[in-house]
Formats: sequence, C-alpha cells, structure tokens
Amino acid sequence: GEDVEQSLFLSVREGDSSVINCTYTDSSSTYLYWYKQEPGAGLQLLTYIFSNMDMKQDQRLTVLLNKKDKHLSLRIADTQTGDSAIYFCAESIKTGTALIFGKGTTLSVSS
Amino acid sequence: GAVVSQHPSRVICKSGTSVKIECRSLDFQATTMFWYRQFPKQSLMLMATSNEGSKATYEQGVEKDKFLINHASLTLSTLTVTSAHPEDSSFYICSAGGQSNQPQHFGDGTRLSIL
Repeated sequence: GEDVEQSLFLSVREGDSSVINCTYTDSSSTYLYWYKQEPGAGLQLLTYIFSNMDMKQDQRLTVLLNKKDKHLSLRIADTQTGDSAIYFCAESIKTGTALIFGKGTTLSVSS
Repeated sequence: GAVVSQHPSRVICKSGTSVKIECRSLDFQATTMFWYRQFPKQSLMLMATSNEGSKATYEQGVEKDKFLINHASLTLSTLTVTSAHPEDSSFYICSAGGQSNQPQHFGDGTRLSIL
C-alpha cells in the first residue's frame, strides 16, 4: 500500500541547516513534493522532484532523492525564524492523480 | 502569484446551513481537481476527485450526499457541505494541476466552523 512517513518535529537554531526526512513505500512514485504550511494557512509548494532525478537545488532548498531506499530529504540552508512551519512530504503515483501526504514535520527555529 | 484560488477563506455558520466553497484554477485549465480535508494537527486526507463534466469520485467513508461536488467548467470546482453540523468543522483545501509534468498547486484553504 501507499504510505509516506516523516518525523513529527525538528528544532534548530537560526542560521543552522535543517534537514527534514521522508520515506515512502510505493516504488512507482513519479513525483515527490515538499509543501510548507504556516499556521492557519494553505499549502505552499516549495519544490518538487521527478523520480528520475537525484538532487534538485533551488536557492536555500536542496532536495535529495534516494530511489533505492525510497528516501527523500529537504535541506534548508541558513534557516530563518520565518521558516518555522509544518513541512509536508507528498508523493504522486501517476500524473494527474491525488497526492499522498505524510503527517508533516513541525520545524521550530529559535533565535 | 497564486495559481489556484479558493473562496471563502473562512466561514462561520449555524448548524443546518449549507456552505459552498469554490476552487478556481487561474492560469490553466483543470479537468481534474481534488478536495482534501485537514483536521487540526493532522495531515491532509483526500475526500474526492472532481472531474469536469462528470461525477466526482469519492474516497471511502466520504458521504457524497453530504459533500456535493460540481465541476461545471475547466476552471471551477465547487464543494457544497450540505446541512453542516459541528463535526463538519474542518479545514478544506482544493488542488489542481499535476498534468503534463506540472506540479499540483493548492488553494489557500477554507476554514469551516459550524456552531
């Protein structure tokens, strides 16, 4: 079956790097996403990666995909207090289908 | 800017009221849109898949007579919570996209509170 797992909490200090990890079970996943949700708000697409890629970097964000281990990570460099939010990992099995979400990782950044 | 617009952002109403939520794709046509529900401190659960010009596909456990979905055009899907009760209070989010190697984008969500 399909399942996406994430650790629930991560606490870092301002300026440090944050690494949020995610594992998924369906090897046929085609796209993997990271979304950010601030309190009371909707989901903001941060970045996504196709299953045929190993890494994608976009400014402070780096996504690593280990397809063999079905492991996805999101690294935020120079973490700021404004990065405090819940980060959801999600997978898409097929183009145009609904996403399967993890439970979200709450990132807390202290100054 | 936003590519998926969802309205209203917040609704507070009395038990028994029906509430309509709109989801629009702004810069693209969406033959399929998705409706999710999020309980406090939990993840998003898919409620239904909205298909333009045909009936929506509901997930197991979701009452289709309770949550009416209409996808009458390529840019608009509506979710109507009929005769809402306090247990329907939740955060409802729609998404569209995911076609042709494009990512899915989400609306800002609607926080529904039934008194």
